[in-house]
Amino acid sequence: ELKVEQNPLFLSMQEGKNYTIYCNYSTTSDRLYWYRQDPGKSLESLFVLLSNGAVKQEGRLMASLDTKARLSTLHITAAVHDLSATYFCAVGRSGSRLTFGEGTQLTVNP
Amino acid sequence: SAVISQKPSRDICQRGTSLTIQCQVDSQVTMMFWYRQQPGQSLTLIATANQGSEATYESGFVIDKFPISRPNLTFSTLTVSNMSPEDSSIYLCSVEGGTGADTQYFGPGTRLTVL
Repeated sequence: ELKVEQNPLFLSMQEGKNYTIYCNYSTTSDRLYWYRQDPGKSLESLFVLLSNGAVKQEGRLMASLDTKARLSTLHITAAVHDLSATYFCAVGRSGSRLTFGEGTQLTVNP
Repeated sequence: SAVISQKPSRDICQRGTSLTIQCQVDSQVTMMFWYRQQPGQSLTLIATANQGSEATYESGFVIDKFPISRPNLTFSTLTVSNMSPEDSSIYLCSVEGGTGADTQYFGPGTRLTVL
């Protein structure tokens, strides 16, 4: 059974600081996804990582994938309040279901 | 990308009743997925709906409780039957979309409260 674990589950950080969220998964899979969810909202797709060594960046967020270690990271650079949200990683194959991590609730304080 | 709409966006229902949630996609897709997100929790897959065949349910979810229809390639419904307060959740449909199926997109969700 595929398991996806994120840490930390809760993260409180100051504006301007850097931090990394980790996502470990238990079995080989095609794709690693990162989503953002604001309170009361649906999921917004941030990144899809398809291959070992893949790195994608959008604004202050950068995601990477190490398929050998079964590890993905979401790095936050110089955090701002607008990044406060819950971030989910998910693992799956093309055309198939996703298995989600528990989510990381990020709060960025002034 | 894929644009997904869901109806209703939210509802408050009485115990023992049923609610049907609709999911409409702006393009034809082979598979549609129904997820549940309980309060403060992550997402759990309920079932996968393929057009023209019976839905495939995940462990812990049964057709009698969550019947699904998939009449065509752009539409699906999920019914939550004989509801109890434990069914209070956000229900989301999802599709894989885009050229080369670049990601899975989620609908806006249906927030269900059962009293």
